[in-house]
Amino acid sequence: NAGVMQNPRHLVRRRGQEARLRCSPMKGHSHVYWYRQLPEEGLKFMVYLQKENIIDESGMPKERFSAEFPKEGPSILRIQQVVRGDSAAYFCASSPDRAPGSVYGYTFGSGTRLTVV
Amino acid sequence: GNSVTQMEGPVTLSEEAFLTINCTYTATGYPSLFWYVQYPGEGLQLLLKATKADDKGSNKGFEATYRKETTSFHLEKGSVQVSDSAVYFCALSQYGNKLVFGAGTILRVKS
Repeated sequence: NAGVMQNPRHLVRRRGQEARLRCSPMKGHSHVYWYRQLPEEGLKFMVYLQKENIIDESGMPKERFSAEFPKEGPSILRIQQVVRGDSAAYFCASSPDRAPGSVYGYTFGSGTRLTVV
Repeated sequence: GNSVTQMEGPVTLSEEAFLTINCTYTATGYPSLFWYVQYPGEGLQLLLKATKADDKGSNKGFEATYRKETTSFHLEKGSVQVSDSAVYFCALSQYGNKLVFGAGTILRVKS
């Protein structure tokens, strides 16, 4: 049973380019969460999605960032016109249900390290 | 808002030494508390958790007790091994679907 798969593991983009980060949840998991880890900081919540729905995007920057989780395929975190401050590790987690306490079911991926040059 | 503060690292210990990594939190109500571990090149793995005051979470020789009076959840292990070298994150969850993390503490264990 494969875990949460994120790709690419490392991504280098020039300022102004677009970055697309992919997350395939564990089989049977229908909830996806994205977190960002800036250098020397802890992980910070960005967005929570179910299939075809954004449930909570309270941690998403207002501009340039978007996320989707289509009916088929992986969840995508998209960053347009990247800037140096977007350089970070982006982690995805999935869980099988939305009941209170579903953080107990979190499984994290290995992350995508984005470097903006 | 909710927050978690961890002791800064890196923490460097010799094998079989006693480990303490301090963690304190700020939250309204009664959050659940967690310790996650991240080995090099891997994702975060849940190490242990506690859901109410005075609960003790334990796993793989690690322990942490939920202390509401001091708003703390310190991680301890009696005898560390080289294989315990990793980054340790303290976290809380207030309403179940989000985690608030501390900055992480790097642990290095030397043989």
